[in-house]
Amino acid sequence: DGGITQSPKYLFRKEGQNVTLSCEQNLNHDAMYWYRQDPGQGLRLIYYSQIVNDFQKGDIAEGYSVSREKKESFPLTVTSAQKNPTAFYLCASSISAENYGYTFGSGTRLTVV
Amino acid sequence: AQKITQTQPGMFVQEKEAVTLDCTYDTSDPSYGLFWYKQPSSGEMIFLIYQGSYDQQNATEGRYSLNFQKARKSANLVISASQLGDSAMYFCAMREVNFGNEKLTFGTGTRLTIIP
Repeated sequence: DGGITQSPKYLFRKEGQNVTLSCEQNLNHDAMYWYRQDPGQGLRLIYYSQIVNDFQKGDIAEGYSVSREKKESFPLTVTSAQKNPTAFYLCASSISAENYGYTFGSGTRLTVV
Repeated sequence: AQKITQTQPGMFVQEKEAVTLDCTYDTSDPSYGLFWYKQPSSGEMIFLIYQGSYDQQNATEGRYSLNFQKARKSANLVISASQLGDSAMYFCAMREVNFGNEKLTFGTGTRLTIIP
């Protein structure tokens, strides 16, 4: 079955460490997105990519980095510069310019300890 | 300024009743899309319904319908005959395309609780 796989489901990080969240899709979607969700809040866009080797900053990109070396993969690195990284992270993909919904992964819950 | 506004942080509805979740949006683009997603406690985002800005008729998907009032910039979700399984967070979102870059912006959500 096609879909988006995010791993790990839970991640614990020590302060000052970088961590990388994985997002892989086998839907042949061109566009991929990373969102952050804080408790009781909506989703905020971190980074997005429309094509391989190209990506754009979203609304809250500071302290994060991404790469898009393959169409299927869009890993997110939470750097030590991100002051409050504890949150729920969701990856999504879509066929650009199509009208139907985006497909989301099941999320990674990151906790700084 | 908020692009997507959901003014109901929480709602309690009796089972089998209909419920309307409010959503207003702000954009100057003539072409945009509006989505509703359901997020159960597991965290996954479940696509419910889509309305394009040029669609003449309100979108419907089973028990879900979207009351699209373009002049008022509102896109309310109506759930008919609510069920216990409808208890979840509901998010309204808008798709915009700027210079070929497409992104989806979310509201803050409404937590819906269905009472038996």
